[in-house]
Amino acid sequence: AQTVTQSQPEMSVQEAETVTLSCTYDTSESNYYLFWYKQPPSRQMILVIRQEAYKQQNATENRFSVNFQKAAKSFSLKISDSQLGDTAMYFCAFRGFQKLVFGTGTRLLVSP
Amino acid sequence: DAGITQSPRYKITETGRQVTLMCHQTWSHSYMFWYRQDLGHGLRLIYYSAAADITDKGEVPDGYVVSRSKTENFPLTLESATRSQTSVYFCASTSRDSAYEQYFGPGTRLTVT
Repeated sequence: AQTVTQSQPEMSVQEAETVTLSCTYDTSESNYYLFWYKQPPSRQMILVIRQEAYKQQNATENRFSVNFQKAAKSFSLKISDSQLGDTAMYFCAFRGFQKLVFGTGTRLLVSP
Repeated sequence: DAGITQSPRYKITETGRQVTLMCHQTWSHSYMFWYRQDLGHGLRLIYYSAAADITDKGEVPDGYVVSRSKTENFPLTLESATRSQTSVYFCASTSRDSAYEQYFGPGTRLTVT
């Protein structure tokens, strides 16, 4: 069974700084997708970024980028130029054939 | 409006009562999912459906029943609610041809007293 581990329950960063959220996963599958979801206080789950396992190039979406290390089964999220609106829970998720498996989340607080 | 909706958004019920959470999507996505979110557990899959009349268990199915008579609807029923089922419930959908991205509804906060 796949597992996803987020070892940082909470993190804090000041506005305009950079922060990295960690995620590791365990799977025996070779084809899969990895995601970072953001959940602000509104509870809505918002897709931040997606990485296909067969792509060596790290995904980037504006201020959000990932460091995907397939051999190490690591998938960290880097947020550059942090903004107050980035305050949220962040969930790492793994998807193999059909189902998403989520980590327990990291609560990120961005302060002025 | 197009998208995925859930109703009710908030529900309080008593132990032993039956309660149904509704999920409706307008994209004609073939796959639909129900998750529950609890502190310290992230989101856990309860049931999923690959198409109308096809459902399967996820990680935590006990105490829940689902049906899918129409592609756009995927109701989740708690046949006899227990306090351990107090949670936030999310419905999600995705198409067969998508790059595995799931689209989430706004969630239902259920409290069982």
